[in-house]
Amino acid sequence: DAGVIQSPRHEVTEMGQEVTLRCKPISGHDYLFWYRQTMMRGLELLIYFNNNVPIDDSGMPEDRFSAKMPNASFSTLKIQPSEPRDSAVYFCASSLAGPYGYTFGSGTRLTVV
Amino acid sequence: KQEVTQIPAALSVPEGENLVLNCSFTDSAIYNLQWFRQDPGKGLTSLLLIQSSQREQTSGRLNASLDKSSGRSTLYIAASQPGDSATYLCAVIETSGSRLTFGEGTQLTVNP
Repeated sequence: DAGVIQSPRHEVTEMGQEVTLRCKPISGHDYLFWYRQTMMRGLELLIYFNNNVPIDDSGMPEDRFSAKMPNASFSTLKIQPSEPRDSAVYFCASSLAGPYGYTFGSGTRLTVV
Repeated sequence: KQEVTQIPAALSVPEGENLVLNCSFTDSAIYNLQWFRQDPGKGLTSLLLIQSSQREQTSGRLNASLDKSSGRSTLYIAASQPGDSATYLCAVIETSGSRLTFGEGTQLTVNP
């Protein structure tokens, strides 16, 4: 199994531009999570899905952030327009329902200048 | 609201030492607890998962214990090596499929 796959690994963009981060969960996993990591706030949950349906998006900072999961094998996190304070590492994770752990992707390091 | 605390925030030890990392959580009604390792600039690697019905889990030189009633978990690393240098994160899961709530992590440095 290739694990959770995120792309791109690094993204540098200018303030005001649209940014799209991508995630492919582990096949068969029915939960998908988007986390953001910063030095100041640590790891924060942004949103998570169960069977492609958003369950909790209370961590999404504001309307500039949106996430979709059109099918079981793909999810996107979009920021439009991006701002310098959005600079962080964004992680995607997936899991199975039940007493199983969570598997994280390698993350996307986003820099907004 | 669940809060997870890890002590110490940073730890530096000589190679070969046995060490203990601590994790505490405020709501004992958890489903699982998972320990992760994060190397600088890298993602999170799962080390051990302890289900709420279990008291401990072992993998190689690592042993994690869980005491739900007191809201505590410890990660024991035996015979530490420089390659163990990383940040160790504790996370609790309150119900099946729910969010992970993370501690701030312990940054471990093992000196040769």
